[in-house]
Amino acid sequence: NAGVTQTPKFQVLKTGQSMTLQCAQDMNHEYMSWYRQDPGMGLRLIHYSVGAGITDQGEVPNGYNVSRSTTEDFPLRLLSAAPSQTSVYFCASSRVAGNQPQHFGDGTRLSIL
Amino acid sequence: GENVEQHPSTLSVQEGDSAVIKCTYSDSASNYFPWYKQELGKRPQLIIDIRSNVGEKKDQRIAVTLNKTAKHFSLHITETQPEDSAVYFCAASRGGTALIFGKGTTLSVSS
Repeated sequence: NAGVTQTPKFQVLKTGQSMTLQCAQDMNHEYMSWYRQDPGMGLRLIHYSVGAGITDQGEVPNGYNVSRSTTEDFPLRLLSAAPSQTSVYFCASSRVAGNQPQHFGDGTRLSIL
Repeated sequence: GENVEQHPSTLSVQEGDSAVIKCTYSDSASNYFPWYKQELGKRPQLIIDIRSNVGEKKDQRIAVTLNKTAKHFSLHITETQPEDSAVYFCAASRGGTALIFGKGTTLSVSS
């Protein structure tokens, strides 16, 4: 039981490049979410999904796309990377949305030059 | 949507002292309030949580209190130790919604 797995752990991009951050969980959790963490800003919600085929915007969704074709996977796409997207990205999951403990992945440290 | 305010942003204590971190939330329908600890370079990890039908919960040196009327909740750490040094986050949510976090408190415990 691996929990929540994020890949890659580190990535450097150039402005304008695109990439996908991967997130997979093996706990059969319905709810998955993406956060970005910046110094002094805490964990800000980007997008979340309450189940396969359902996604919704969080606090800071601009510049990011998500999809949820399976229960296990919830990839985060940067279509045209900008320096403001330099951050640490965390994926989290829980059995259902709302009043449940979140299980976090180890994070992806992303730098945009 | 929900908004969570957390104070203080930094807190320095001597080993053995108590530490208190306070959070307020805006959505009166929120009913779940977890606290996470994040060590440098690591993932956030749940240390304690409380639901709105409970006013206080304790786990060894850690306790959380909830005041639904005032819409605030607090984390209390007693007999602090150097290994308690970390960033602590509070959060709030209600059934069917996403978890919204505060901006975090950096706790430093000096020996």
